[in-house]
Amino acid sequence: AQSVTQLGSHVSVSEGALVLLRCNYSSSVPPYLFWYVQYPNQGLQLLLKYTSAATLVKGINGFEAEFKKSETSFHLTKPSAHMSDAAEYFCAVSGVGETSYDKVIFGPGTSLSVIP
Amino acid sequence: DTEVTQTPKHLVMGMTNKKSLKCEQHMGHRAMYWYKQKAKKPPELMFVYSYEKLSINESVPSRFSPECPNSSLLNLHLHALQPEDSALYLCASSAAGATNEKLFFGSGTQLSVL
Repeated sequence: AQSVTQLGSHVSVSEGALVLLRCNYSSSVPPYLFWYVQYPNQGLQLLLKYTSAATLVKGINGFEAEFKKSETSFHLTKPSAHMSDAAEYFCAVSGVGETSYDKVIFGPGTSLSVIP
Repeated sequence: DTEVTQTPKHLVMGMTNKKSLKCEQHMGHRAMYWYKQKAKKPPELMFVYSYEKLSINESVPSRFSPECPNSSLLNLHLHALQPEDSALYLCASSAAGATNEKLFFGSGTQLSVL
């Protein structure tokens, strides 16, 4: 069973516009949550992670995400898109559903395009 | 040094060949991972090594054989692969078990099986 869903396999925004990438998880117990970014021909890089210390998590490159238990969501936002933000974004979880705490399971990904 | 180094970057092999992928990290991480990634898809977990012992095998076919010779090295031995095994193979490491630890990824080996 899929533990992570990302609404929208492809999102396009204009340069300078708000970026919103959606992530929902399926668990009654708050899992560990992550956002990773993958640029072309590269491995994945951590943007931010939810550690239960705060529901609003700030990451690198101006990204942030808000954990909402009631909505089982962990959406990623950035106030102003830059051309260099064009990449594939993966939401990931560990310690939920079929996963053990040694497994990080990735969502299907959202490809972000930034239009000049 | 916060890098995970994978070699080779590209590999083309026939279905009867034997080859190996290599991964190295010098961050003192005790957990290492192999992921397989098809184009436009998320990484799929294959194996997890924790303290040099295989802790997770995601029912991967035996034509893929992992090895962790020491805490810094992770190999993936390939034998009699099929064309559908063509993919990007990513190695990752973390300080301990995944839990809430950050995964550090290498840039991957792009494998083509002819």
